[in-house]
Amino acid sequence: GAGVSQSPSNKVTEKGKDVELRCDPISGHTALYWYRQSLGQGLEFLIYFQGNSAPDKSGLPSDRFSAERTGGSVSTLTIQRTQQEDSAVYLCASSLSGGLGETQYFGPGTRLLVL
Amino acid sequence: QKEVEQNSGPLSVPEGAIASLNCTYSDRGSQSFFWYRQYSGKSPELIMSIYSNGDKEDGRFTAQLNKASQYVSLLIRDSQPSDSATYLCAVNPSGGSYIPTFGRGTSLIVHP
Repeated sequence: GAGVSQSPSNKVTEKGKDVELRCDPISGHTALYWYRQSLGQGLEFLIYFQGNSAPDKSGLPSDRFSAERTGGSVSTLTIQRTQQEDSAVYLCASSLSGGLGETQYFGPGTRLLVL
Repeated sequence: QKEVEQNSGPLSVPEGAIASLNCTYSDRGSQSFFWYRQYSGKSPELIMSIYSNGDKEDGRFTAQLNKASQYVSLLIRDSQPSDSATYLCAVNPSGGSYIPTFGRGTSLIVHP
C-alpha cells in the first residue's frame, strides 16, 4: 500500500513569507507526527495528532508555527513569517494508533530553504 | 529534559566486521526503544525495536538493552558498504507520552 507522502518535496522561500507543508499519512493511521531535522541534527519533535484528541503542540518552537489535521487524515504545517533558522527538513510520520512501541512510518520529507 | 545520547561518529569499520552502535538515555522509566537507519538525503526507517532487557536478533542486526545501565546498543554483523548510513536511537519516555525522543545519530561508514 501507499506510504506517507509529503508535498512539496522542496521549497525555497524568502524570509518573511508564509509556507504550507502537507502530509498525507498511511490510510487508517490515526496518529500523525511532525518533526524537524536540521543539517547534522537529530529529529526535533514539533506536534502530534491522535484521532480526535487535542494535538500535543509542546514541540512547536514559536507561535509562527501551527498545524492542523482535517478529517483525521491530511495534515498541514504552516510557518508564518519564515526566518532563515527555519531552514530544515520537515518530516511527517504516522502510526496506527500512536500506542507505546508502535512503529512510526516516515514520509520523504520537505526540504525548506529560507533565503 | 529527557536526553538520548549517541556518539556522532563517524564510526568506520571494514567490510565484514561487526559494527557496534551505542545509545544512552536519561529517563529510567523508559520502556520502548528503537533503532532507525537514515541514508543520506532520505527519511528514517525502522530497523529494530526492543522492549525487554537482553538481546533481540533479526538477521544481521542485534539490539541489546540494559535498563539498569540505561543503554541500548545495535550490533551489525558482517557489515556491508550498503549499511553505511546514520543510525538514530529513539526512546519512548515514561509518563504515558507516546512521543519518542531521538538521539542525534551515529554515522557509520563501512569501507570495502
